Parts: sequence; structure tokens; C-alpha cells
Amino acid sequence: GAVVSQHPSRVICKSGTSVKIECRSLDFQATTMFWYRQFPKQSLMLMATSNEGSKATYEQGVEKDKFLINHASLTLSTLTVTSAHPEDSSFYICSARGTGTNTEAFFGQGTRLTVV
Amino acid sequence: GQQVMQIPQYQHVQEGEDFTTYCNSSTTLSNIQWYKQRPGGHPVFLIQLVKSGEVKKQKRLTFQFGEAKKNSSLHITATQTTDVGTYFCEWGNTGKLIFGQGTTLQVKP
Repeated sequence: GAVVSQHPSRVICKSGTSVKIECRSLDFQATTMFWYRQFPKQSLMLMATSNEGSKATYEQGVEKDKFLINHASLTLSTLTVTSAHPEDSSFYICSARGTGTNTEAFFGQGTRLTVV
Repeated sequence: GQQVMQIPQYQHVQEGEDFTTYCNSSTTLSNIQWYKQRPGGHPVFLIQLVKSGEVKKQKRLTFQFGEAKKNSSLHITATQTTDVGTYFCEWGNTGKLIFGQGTTLQVKP
């Protein structure tokens, strides 16, 4: 199946700094990628839909100035958590559908962010 | 708006017992997907259901899509410790990937 690679898998940063998370589709072109946040023992909460070559679409309640999304190519989307605070500590995961409609989603390995 | 509820939130079973998780929608779904997430891992695709009344099997797992395409279930027969994890339903009517709340399965050996 298709492969989505997410990097880094773990990151610890200081409050006030920014962290960039990369999501790459390795063997297919993903015009759309999705970014999720998952708290312990909870579901995946969709944060935003990343569209190649255009602005991301953010879900209600997600600060677009805090969670910057860039989808500059068909194989790379990035999520930057700006001015991170301890409450931003979470598991962030990206996903992309395969080509065609109504197809399965492939997930990156996820990034465990800890802000100290 | 569309609401999909997944129940139960948690299920503890003895190894060998059966397990079922349900997703119920307030509106008709065009399709539904099921995923499994192991502790510490990322979701992995299990199956897609598209047709009304569809039933699909994968070894001990049975997936059903209701006749009205408003509900779906995942049933595991004779659970094993390897079945531990959280099972999510997902639907993509609007092109987004939206997940149910998930059902976390614990299996006691």
C-alpha cells in the first residue's frame, strides 16, 4: 500500500519556540492531506485540511496563526506549531487518501510533541 | 449537521469472548471505513463498506453496513490479545476524513 512518512516521531521543545512537522507521501501524489491531533485515550480530531498550492482549511476552533500549514508540493505538507505552550503537547498525525475517490486513508507515524 | 456516534467507548473482555463496536449516524453515509490503532501507533486501514447491507469478513472480523447506510458494526469473534487497540470508524462524505470517538478494546489473557 501507499506510504506516508511523518517526521519527527518525537520532539521536545521549550515554551515559546516553534516546531515544524513534515508529512510526505512517498509513492503517490497527495493533493490533499489532513492533520489531526490526538490526546491520550481520545479520538483523532481533525485540525485542518491541507490543499496543495492553496491555503489550508481549518476546523472550527483551530487557530490558523498558531498552527501554520504549508502544502507546497504534491508530496509534502508541513505543520508548524508556533510559540508552543505546554497545552500544545499532544500527538499530531497526518493522513492522505490514495488516488481516486472513497479510498482508504494512509497515516504518518505521528509526532509526539512535548512542550516544557 | 451530521453526527456519528461510536459505542461503546471502552470494552474489556476475556480472551476468547466476542467483541462488537458500533457506529450510528443521524444521516445516510455514502461509505464507511474502519481502522485499528494499536497503543502508541497510528491508525491502520481495515476495510471499506460502500453498499447497503454489505457484510465483509476478514478472518475473525466481520464488518456490516446497515440497509439504510446509517449504521455499521465491527464484530470480532473469539478475541485474542493481539486484538488489543482502539477501533475507529471513519466516513468521508464531504471529502474530509472524520473519525468516530473510537472503541478501545482490552483483552485479558
